[in-house]
Amino acid sequence: EAGVAQSPRYKIIEKRQSVAFWCNPISGHATLYWYQQILGQGPKLLIQFQNNGVVDDSQLPKDRFSAERLKGVDSTLKIQPAKLEDSAVYLCASSRGRLREQYFGPGTRLTVT
Amino acid sequence: GIQVEQSPPDLILQEGANSTLRCNFSDSVNNLQWFHQNPWGQLINLFYIPSGTKQNGRLSATTVATERYSLLYISSSQTTDSGVYFCAEAYNTDKLIFGTGTRLQVFP
Repeated sequence: EAGVAQSPRYKIIEKRQSVAFWCNPISGHATLYWYQQILGQGPKLLIQFQNNGVVDDSQLPKDRFSAERLKGVDSTLKIQPAKLEDSAVYLCASSRGRLREQYFGPGTRLTVT
Repeated sequence: GIQVEQSPPDLILQEGANSTLRCNFSDSVNNLQWFHQNPWGQLINLFYIPSGTKQNGRLSATTVATERYSLLYISSSQTTDSGVYFCAEAYNTDKLIFGTGTRLQVFP
């Protein structure tokens, strides 16, 4: 069974530019999560989808971050405009359903200069 | 607020040594996971263990839900065990709350 796929693996942008990340969850997993991991900390949830609906986006900075999962499968996370403090690893995870074991992708390491 | 506390924060071992990592939780445990984050940043699932004991090779984990803690045992450590170990709990939501991690370095 293929794991969670993410791209790109690395991205370097200047502040005020925009960037997008892509995630393809494990086949059949209805729930998809985006986490942000700042260096030296544990991951923190940004947004959770159940199929193509948003379950929890309470910690998503909505003035600059957006995410979608239009067909209930893959998802994109966008930052526009980026700030220096957005430098982090963005991790995508999926699970068979709510309150189930979560599996993480390799992450996208974003550096904002 | 809801917290996950991990100890020790850092651990340095020689190859072949055993170790125990601990997580304490501030609320009821029902969706606990242990992860290993390798030097490339990949979070690898070790155990999904809301209660009881599980073993996988040289690793084992025990969760005592009534006392709100979990232990991860690593036996006969190898250099490939190096990295950061996280525990995480969702506390009846889907939002995994991660501890601050234990950074393990294993030297030959």
